[in-house]
Formats: sequence, C-alpha cells, structure tokens
Amino acid sequence: EVQLVESGGGLVQPGGSLRLSCAASGFTFSSYEMNWVRQAPGKGLEWVSYISSSGSTIYYADSVKGRFTISRDNAKNSLYLQMNSLRAEDTAVYYCACISIAARLDYWGQGTLVTVSS
Amino acid sequence: DVVMTQSPLSLPVTLGQPASISCRSSQSLVYSDGNTYLNWFQQRPGQSPRRLIYKVSNWDSGVPDRFSGSGSGTDFTLKISRVEAEDVGVYYCMQGTHWPYSFGQGTKLEIK
Repeated sequence: EVQLVESGGGLVQPGGSLRLSCAASGFTFSSYEMNWVRQAPGKGLEWVSYISSSGSTIYYADSVKGRFTISRDNAKNSLYLQMNSLRAEDTAVYYCACISIAARLDYWGQGTLVTVSS
Repeated sequence: DVVMTQSPLSLPVTLGQPASISCRSSQSLVYSDGNTYLNWFQQRPGQSPRRLIYKVSNWDSGVPDRFSGSGSGTDFTLKISRVEAEDVGVYYCMQGTHWPYSFGQGTKLEIK
C-alpha cells in the first residue's frame, strides 16, 4: 500500500523557520517526481514546489521562491521542505504529493498544518 | 504565469442529474511534445485531494466512468453524467504544461 506521511508542521513565529518531512512507502520513491502543495484554511489548492526523481530539477512558486527549499533523500525514501522567513500568509496545510502529469500516478499524504503567528 | 479560471465557483446539482465545470487557461496548454497537461482533482470534505483526470481526458485509477474530461488549447470541461452523493466536494483544474504549475480557484459541488 502506498503511503505518504508528512510531519514537522506546527506553530512558528513570523520570520521563523520550519522543516517539513514526507516519508514515502509502498512504491519506488526514487523513480518518481514529487511536489508540495498547500491549502490555506478555507481556501483552494496552491502548488508550492517540484523536484525531479533524481533531485536535479527543481521549481518553486513565485510566492515561496528564495524562502523555501525542496530536497529529497532517495536512500531514505524521504522528501523535505525547508521553510525560512515564514509569513502569516504561509499558514496552510502542506501536502506531499506524487503526481505524474503524463501517466496514471497520483498519491497524496494527509497533510501537515503550518501556522505562522505571533 | 498561467492563470486558471474555473466556472461556476458553486454548483448545486440534483442527485442523478448531470454537472459540468469549465476551466480556462490564460495561455495554451499544448506542450512542445504535443500533449496537453490539464488535470482535474476532487477534494471531498475533510480529505486530501485526489486526481480524477490527467492529460485532458484520461482517467486515473478507480475513477468512475461517469466522470469525463474534454477540451483543447485553453478551454476545458469536466463533466459528471449523473451526480451521486459521494461526488460532493470541491473540484480543481490544474495545468502541468508551464512552470510554475497552477490550480484553478475550485468549484464547490453540492447536492440541491
């Protein structure tokens, strides 16, 4: 059974940092591209970041570029999101997602809540 | 960046009746390889999203055939032939042709 389990969310002050993790199991993690998608409370989905299977290709949404860093450790079947200089508008549930835009492959975690507030 | 615009934003539907959601992109979603990377996602209340359709009209695993996707270029449609109670939730289109990827605002489907 495929599982994506996010962790690392919590309450952080504006300007602070947080590192999210996503543990993958049940599929060959190293073969697939991964994404982070977030959802502010009561709002829609916002794509945040992408990393290729090898980690060599990375993209970010303009809203997080320069502040967030995506990475992966294929030996540990894990995806990460380092979030720095956090703002109130970064408050959201963050989902780890394995989405292939070209094939029948779509896995999502349950999400982890990040709250940025003083 | 590509802006995805959905309509309507709210969709009350009677059980057993059809439903249709429109999604328009601010630029063509045809990629250089000839494919169009337009996806449809469903998010039921309290659940994580799941994809229903990829590349405009291809079903993901386990998706009932009452869901169908169509369109080309900048105009796309998700249709539900006969709405069931389990279809309640929010539907999003998402483009995967241009970086950064982008979602539509979402369409909330409810039962009348």
